[in-house]
Amino acid sequence: GQNIDQPTEMTATEGAIVQINCTYQTSGFNGLFWYQQHAGEAPTFLSYNVLDGLEEKGRFSSFLSRSKGYSYLLLKELQMKDSASYLCAVVNSGGYQKVTFGTGTKLQVIP
Amino acid sequence: DSGVTQTPKHLITATGQRVTLRCSPRSGDLSVYWYQQSLDQGLQFLIQYYNGEERAKGNILERFSAQQFPDLHSELNLSSLELGDSALYFCASSPQLLAGEETQYFGPGTRLLVL
Repeated sequence: GQNIDQPTEMTATEGAIVQINCTYQTSGFNGLFWYQQHAGEAPTFLSYNVLDGLEEKGRFSSFLSRSKGYSYLLLKELQMKDSASYLCAVVNSGGYQKVTFGTGTKLQVIP
Repeated sequence: DSGVTQTPKHLITATGQRVTLRCSPRSGDLSVYWYQQSLDQGLQFLIQYYNGEERAKGNILERFSAQQFPDLHSELNLSSLELGDSALYFCASSPQLLAGEETQYFGPGTRLLVL
């Protein structure tokens, strides 16, 4: 089976940097996604990591360490609109692919 | 707009009833995924179809079933509904099976309320 852990809630200040961690245990790892989800809306894709290292996309970066079963999403220059839930999702490989989502981290950005 | 459509947007029904949720994937996408999202459990993977065939199954109850039709749209059938089935049901699609940078594109969801 798969197990994914993320902090439930985080608060950060507008303009600051925040790091959201995700740890996972899985067999047949085939990639890790980060999604942003505003309340009542559909998740939207932020990043994908399958190899170790840092992927940077504008204000958002995502890091992966496969040996540690660890990823983080880094949000820079926080804006009020970044207040949302951030979902970590792991893809399991091997014939039948299955995507497992963490319960999400609710980020509140305050002035 | 992700290009994935779901109908209806809202559905209110009673316990014991049966409902059908519909999803049309993005043009050209062969894979369809169904998820359930309730307040206390986050996003739960239910089932995946690829080009008409079931490819992966998650925590889908026996009261629930799904299929993908030749035109690639998919339906999720929920029967003998219980209060606990009240949730947001998302459909997502991807071009193939998830690989490389391919991601899933989520539809707007169907909000189901069972009274």
